[in-house]
Amino acid sequence: RKEVEQDPGPFNVPEGATVAFNCTYSNSASQSFFWYRQDCRKEPKLLMSVYSSGNEDGRFTAQLNRASQYISLLIRDSKLSDSATYLCVVNKGSGAGSYQLTFGKGTKLSVIP
Amino acid sequence: DADVTQTPRNRITKTGKRIMLECSQTKGHDRMYWYRQDPGLGLRLIYYSFDVKDINKGEISDGYSVSRQAQAKFSLSLESAIPNQTALYFCATSDSWTGKYNEQFFGPGTRLTVL
Repeated sequence: RKEVEQDPGPFNVPEGATVAFNCTYSNSASQSFFWYRQDCRKEPKLLMSVYSSGNEDGRFTAQLNRASQYISLLIRDSKLSDSATYLCVVNKGSGAGSYQLTFGKGTKLSVIP
Repeated sequence: DADVTQTPRNRITKTGKRIMLECSQTKGHDRMYWYRQDPGLGLRLIYYSFDVKDINKGEISDGYSVSRQAQAKFSLSLESAIPNQTALYFCATSDSWTGKYNEQFFGPGTRLTVL
């Protein structure tokens, strides 16, 4: 299994739709989990941190399943401004690896009018 | 004003030239990182630093060096640039004192082309 694996997409959805992204990770010792969004040719921006089984922030819900080693991101009521690439990010595990992040290649979302 | 700035934003250079990329931050964070991003690949860590003069290699440090002479500044050097170092380079920071030390905040990036 790759360290962090995401469906590359693209996901093309109409405005108002609900869309879900999944991400799997290989290191069972990983403790930090994040979703970043990246607009074309711009820097990644932290969207959500996932420190327990999951959390919610407005239209965005992230869930973590440690047993199955996957993380999901749910976006409800999609807006045109949600169009971006969503990066799943996981730390490398214990020891020195706990301070290093592994970035997935990203899932591209296009929200269509 | 941006919290994390990078200079230059774009650079075109020739094979064999020495290049330095600069990163500055006003966030007061102690930890700083350099990444590169290539099309179709995830961000990859080049070097990271937890404090002034603390330097740690990431997964792809060959061909690069860094310097951390002040808490707010972290520079990346390519001693002798080669074409496969053409990439988008990002600097990032994080704050160990909050406990959320892995929440990293990125600069706007430097697009480097080596001919």
